[in-house]
Amino acid sequence: AQTVTQSQPEMSVQEAETVTLSCTYDTSESDYYLFWYKQPPSRQMILVIRQEAYKQQNATENRFSVNFQKAAKSFSLKISDSQLGDAAMYFCAYRSANPQGGGSNYKLTFGKGTLLTVNP
Amino acid sequence: SAVISQKPSRDICQRGTSLTIQCQVDSQVTMMFWYRQQPGQSLTLIATANQGSEATYESGFVIDKFPISRPNLTFSTLTVSNMSPEDSSIYLCSVDPQGGGNSPLHFGNGTRLTVT
Repeated sequence: AQTVTQSQPEMSVQEAETVTLSCTYDTSESDYYLFWYKQPPSRQMILVIRQEAYKQQNATENRFSVNFQKAAKSFSLKISDSQLGDAAMYFCAYRSANPQGGGSNYKLTFGKGTLLTVNP
Repeated sequence: SAVISQKPSRDICQRGTSLTIQCQVDSQVTMMFWYRQQPGQSLTLIATANQGSEATYESGFVIDKFPISRPNLTFSTLTVSNMSPEDSSIYLCSVDPQGGGNSPLHFGNGTRLTVT
């Protein structure tokens, strides 16, 4: 079974600064997808960024980028020019690309989350 | 992207009672999932709701406690049965509009359940 580990329960950053959130995962699969979700106090789970394991190029979405190290099984999220609206819980998640048996094996497996505080 | 409506958004229930949570999607989707998020914790998959057949439950979750219906490709319900305070959590419905792979799951706003 796959596991996802976020070693930083909490992080803080000054507005306009850069912060990096860590994520590592364990899998025996070679083809999979990785995601970062954001959950503000509204509880809505919002996709921040995704990465296909077969792509060497790191994904970027505006101020958000990842550092994907497949051999190290590491998938960190970098937030540049942090804004007050970035304050939220951030979850790293793993999904099989070709799960055996389909169905529930297409589920997302989440890390425990990192609570990001942005200080004005 | 899919728009997901989840009801109720919150409820306070007495122990021993049951609550049914509804999830309505604005488009037909193959995969629907129910997650639980206990206070301060991550999301844990309860089950995959399969249209036309029984739900597939994850280890630690059973049908008697969390019966699920999936009558069509746009709707599902999760019932939390014989509730106890340990069931106090946020319950989230999620769907995969594109059917597997790199498509992200879309989530409803969740149901915050408090059991007294």
